[in-house]
Amino acid sequence: EVQLQQSGAELVKPGASVKLSCKTSGYTFSNYYMSWLKQMPGQNIEWIGNIYGGNGGTGYNQKFKGKATLTVDKSSSTAYMDLSSLTSEDSAVYFCARTQNWEGCFDYWGQGVMVTVSS
Amino acid sequence: DIQMTQSPASLSASLEEIVTITCQPSQDIGNYLSWYQQKPGKSPQLLIHSATSLADGVPSRFSGSRSGTQYSLKINRLQVEDTGIYYCLQGYSAPWTFGGGTKLELK
Repeated sequence: EVQLQQSGAELVKPGASVKLSCKTSGYTFSNYYMSWLKQMPGQNIEWIGNIYGGNGGTGYNQKFKGKATLTVDKSSSTAYMDLSSLTSEDSAVYFCARTQNWEGCFDYWGQGVMVTVSS
Repeated sequence: DIQMTQSPASLSASLEEIVTITCQPSQDIGNYLSWYQQKPGKSPQLLIHSATSLADGVPSRFSGSRSGTQYSLKINRLQVEDTGIYYCLQGYSAPWTFGGGTKLELK
């Protein structure tokens, strides 16, 4: 069974950074891309970028370049996203999602993690 | 970026009714269109990929179609558990973009 388990909710101060994790199981991590997505309360979903589990190659939404950095640890089948210089606009739920690049879809999702930026 | 115009924004329908949601991309995306259902406080779940292919485990009352540049999600015989927000996604060109969502409620 494919599973994506995300780390817990974060409360961080403005200007700080946070690292989110997405631990996977049930499939060959290095054969798939992993995407990260942002959903602000009551808002639409935005694609932040993706990373290939095999070699760590990345693609970013221009809007999130400089804000998000994606990495992987193949040994633990875990994907990470660093968010830097946090502001209130970064308060949102963040999802990781296994990506079927050839079909252009996300077939499995993590449960999401709430990041709250507040002093 | 490709804009995805989704309609309607909200919809109220009765049990057993047929429901249709549409998405119109701002440029050609081929069949790189998928549909998702999101329940409150949960992550989205894949329903349809490649415009018309039913995802594993999704009830057959859900179907996807394409007519020219317009894509549709159809729910036959609406059930209680079908309430939620539905999104379309284009995965043709980065950045991948979602429609604005359709909130489906029971009448």
